Amino acid sequence: DIVMTQSPDSLAVSLGERATINCKSSQSVLFSSNNKNYLAWYQQRPGQPPKLLIYWASTRESGVPDRFSGSGSGTDFTLTISSLQVEDVAVYYCQQYYNTDITFGQGTRLEIK
Amino acid sequence: QVQLQESGPGVVRPSETLSLTCDVSGFSITSGYYWGWTRQPPGKGPEWIGSVFYTGDSYYNPSLQSRASISVDTSKNQFSLKLYSVTAADTAVYYCARDIIYGSGDIADYWGQGKLVTVFS
Repeated sequence: DIVMTQSPDSLAVSLGERATINCKSSQSVLFSSNNKNYLAWYQQRPGQPPKLLIYWASTRESGVPDRFSGSGSGTDFTLTISSLQVEDVAVYYCQQYYNTDITFGQGTRLEIK
Repeated sequence: QVQLQESGPGVVRPSETLSLTCDVSGFSITSGYYWGWTRQPPGKGPEWIGSVFYTGDSYYNPSLQSRASISVDTSKNQFSLKLYSVTAADTAVYYCARDIIYGSGDIADYWGQGKLVTVFS
């Protein structure tokens, strides 16, 4: 299976500042035939189910604020929140859907400093 | 507005079968999407269990494939999960979701609120 490793495990950022979360896959999730990275990001607020934020590594889901952006290719990916808001406090997960054995990262807890 | 709601027992005894149902409203289960289950042990990350199409076509996490079964009831617009021979390691919040298939894998764009299932004797 493809192992997804996130860093850091937790992060504290001041309101209005930038937050950056990293995700590394144990093998490439870039499909060469369509040049797409099979990588998604989810946000999970306390007591809530995961919410899809980004797919294809950089495409925002409908309704997701544009302060959220995704980047990267192959095995290294980044989720960036450009200006942290109170409602962004959550755990963030990356997920690969490159093959049928779908796997998630261990999560990054984002808090306000 | 797509809504999903899990239901079923909150406690299951070891070695028995965990059974959950997901009721889908606001969207027809036959409208071209897959429908899946994901679980999340307390304090840990999500673990995908499997997904099913309304025709019954299904695929599973290899680590759970021998114990998991997902089925669809189109007449009730719902789908179900059975997990056999459970142990304490199967204690988790179980989520149902609508899945979008891309190639071999999928992402989930609508989720239920989750059902905590505890395996306890």
